[in-house]
Amino acid sequence: GQNIDQPTEMTATEGAIVQINCTYQTSGFNGLFWYQQHAGEAPTFLSYNVLDGLEEKGRFSSFLSRSKGYSYLLLKELQMKDSASYLCALTTDSWGKLQFGAGTQVVVTP
Amino acid sequence: GAVVSQHPSRVICKSGTSVKIECRSLDFQATTMFWYRQFPKKSLMLMATSNEGSKATYEQGVEKDKFLINHASLTLSTLTVTSAHPEDSSFYICSAHSTSGSYNEQFFGPGTRLTVL
Repeated sequence: GQNIDQPTEMTATEGAIVQINCTYQTSGFNGLFWYQQHAGEAPTFLSYNVLDGLEEKGRFSSFLSRSKGYSYLLLKELQMKDSASYLCALTTDSWGKLQFGAGTQVVVTP
Repeated sequence: GAVVSQHPSRVICKSGTSVKIECRSLDFQATTMFWYRQFPKKSLMLMATSNEGSKATYEQGVEKDKFLINHASLTLSTLTVTSAHPEDSSFYICSAHSTSGSYNEQFFGPGTRLTVL
């Protein structure tokens, strides 16, 4: 089985940086995803890590350490529209089956 | 990117009736689709894996006779909530798995809000 932990909520001001941590325990590993989800909408893909290291994509970066069972999503230059839930998800097979963490609600304040 | 549609987007039904939700991959073929449910302010919970041409694989605790899944073609999977009750009210989301990219990627449908009265 898997155990995925991430903080419940984080608050930051517009223009700031926020780092959302995700720790996991799993018996198999085939990649870690980060998704953004606004209330009442489906998740949208942000990033994918399968090897250790940092993946940068615009204002969003994601880091993975497989040996530590640890990932983080870094959001820079926060904008009000970034207020959303951020979901860490693991896949352990080649068929894409995902197990999601509980999600971190990010609140961006003016 | 690939597009996945769901229909209907919202449905309200009476207790005891059955509701069918369709999930379609519009511009790619998906041998595997997944069904999730999400309660308010909670994360997505995987219900089942839908495989084209074979029986669905259900997660522990999900009643297969309650949530009927059919994956009749490479672009369509359906979830039927049978004899729905108020506790089945939830946000149901499907995703379709594509291996055409550089990694295993899932594309999510927009979700279906089910309210059982």
